[in-house]
Amino acid sequence: AQSVTQLGSHVSVSEGALVLLRCNYSSSVPPYLFWYVQYPNQGLQLLLKYTTGATLVKGINGFEAEFKKSETSFHLTKPSAHMSDAAEYFCAVSRTSTGGFKTIFGAGTRLFVKA
Amino acid sequence: DVKVTQSSRYLVKRTGEKVFLECVQDMDHENMFWYRQDPGLGLRLIYFSYDVKMKEKGDIPEGYSVSREKKERFSLILESASTNQTSMYLCASSFGLTSGGGETQYFGPGTRLLVL
Repeated sequence: AQSVTQLGSHVSVSEGALVLLRCNYSSSVPPYLFWYVQYPNQGLQLLLKYTTGATLVKGINGFEAEFKKSETSFHLTKPSAHMSDAAEYFCAVSRTSTGGFKTIFGAGTRLFVKA
Repeated sequence: DVKVTQSSRYLVKRTGEKVFLECVQDMDHENMFWYRQDPGLGLRLIYFSYDVKMKEKGDIPEGYSVSREKKERFSLILESASTNQTSMYLCASSFGLTSGGGETQYFGPGTRLLVL
């Protein structure tokens, strides 16, 4: 069965510091991997995704993630945090199911950005 | 822009009531999903639908049912609401298997349901 583990339910960084949110998955090959962000009182929106091809994926708002098959990881990074990055972040993996694919979400990591 | 709308942002219901949550998408997506979001548990799939009148159980379908009579609309029904169904409910939609499983899901703003 496919699963997603996000390390750390809360992460706090200072404005301008590196953001690193960790995600490990278990999946049959090939995995489809996603990062979604949820701002307060909103639904989720896609930050970036890995399907095939280049293992370093760039997303919106300066975020990127690297697919490392040997480590079964898909960690999310941003070189310099901004106050507006404060949100909850979800890592997700697609799995096969009758009629198509379903997406399994991690428990989420809430990012706090200190001034 | 893809738009997914949900009928209510906040709902308060009594135990035992029948509750309807409505979701509409305007992008002609084949797939539609209902999730439940609880702190520390992330999103858990309740039901999904990959075509009109088709539905498939997710990971936590007990106490819920769904209806999809039109492609753009997917309803979640709580047959007899209970306090343990107090939660945030998120609807999402996506295209079918155009990219072999890598389809992006588009989410509505959520409905926060309180069952008293």
